[in-house]
Amino acid sequence: QQQVKQSPQSLIVQKGGISIINCAYENTAFDYFPWYQQFPGKGPALLIAIRPDVSEKKEGRFTISFNKSAKQFSLHIMDSQPGDSATYFCAASMQGTGNQFYFGTGTSLTVIP
Amino acid sequence: NAGVTQTPKFRVLKTGQSMTLLCAQDMNHEYMYWYRQDPGMGLRLIHYSVGEGTTAKGEVPDGYNVSRLKKQNFLLGLESAAPSQTSVYFCASSLWGNQPQHFGDGTRLSIL
Repeated sequence: QQQVKQSPQSLIVQKGGISIINCAYENTAFDYFPWYQQFPGKGPALLIAIRPDVSEKKEGRFTISFNKSAKQFSLHIMDSQPGDSATYFCAASMQGTGNQFYFGTGTSLTVIP
Repeated sequence: NAGVTQTPKFRVLKTGQSMTLLCAQDMNHEYMYWYRQDPGMGLRLIHYSVGEGTTAKGEVPDGYNVSRLKKQNFLLGLESAAPSQTSVYFCASSLWGNQPQHFGDGTRLSIL
């Protein structure tokens, strides 16, 4: 059973446009929600993360929006650039033994020049 | 500062062979993790460790064993490789639980 559901599977955006990737979860015990960026042949790298005490976090062109009541969170990439073309994963974790990360299935983003 | 280093980067095995994947981190992190990444399935946790000398099962532990004899190293073993274990394996570490995980660049493993 997928703990974190991510959509869309793939996304094509024009340069300068806004890229939006959505994730949903069921377990209300989750209290840490990171987004990872992965380029081909490389490991995932932390992009931005949020905890449920805030509804939005912005770092440069990247923003996480968090809706606790709907159990959803999303990544917005403003002014998308060709260099943003990568696979993006959302994840969720909770306090407890091991603090496992549960990852979404990934979104392949292509930004067209 | 190398971060998380995985060796080897590529490996081809025959069914039934055994091998060990090595993960080393130089950030003095307590927690370490082994994931496998398969197309369309994201990253799935195999085993993890919350400190030197400890190990625990993750979501997909069958067919794998791990050891954490030293704080900086986390080894993943395949005792009898099967084609279903063809995957990209990632090691990660974090200072504590529920903190950002730092990933290595992966080991691409093919089982024929």
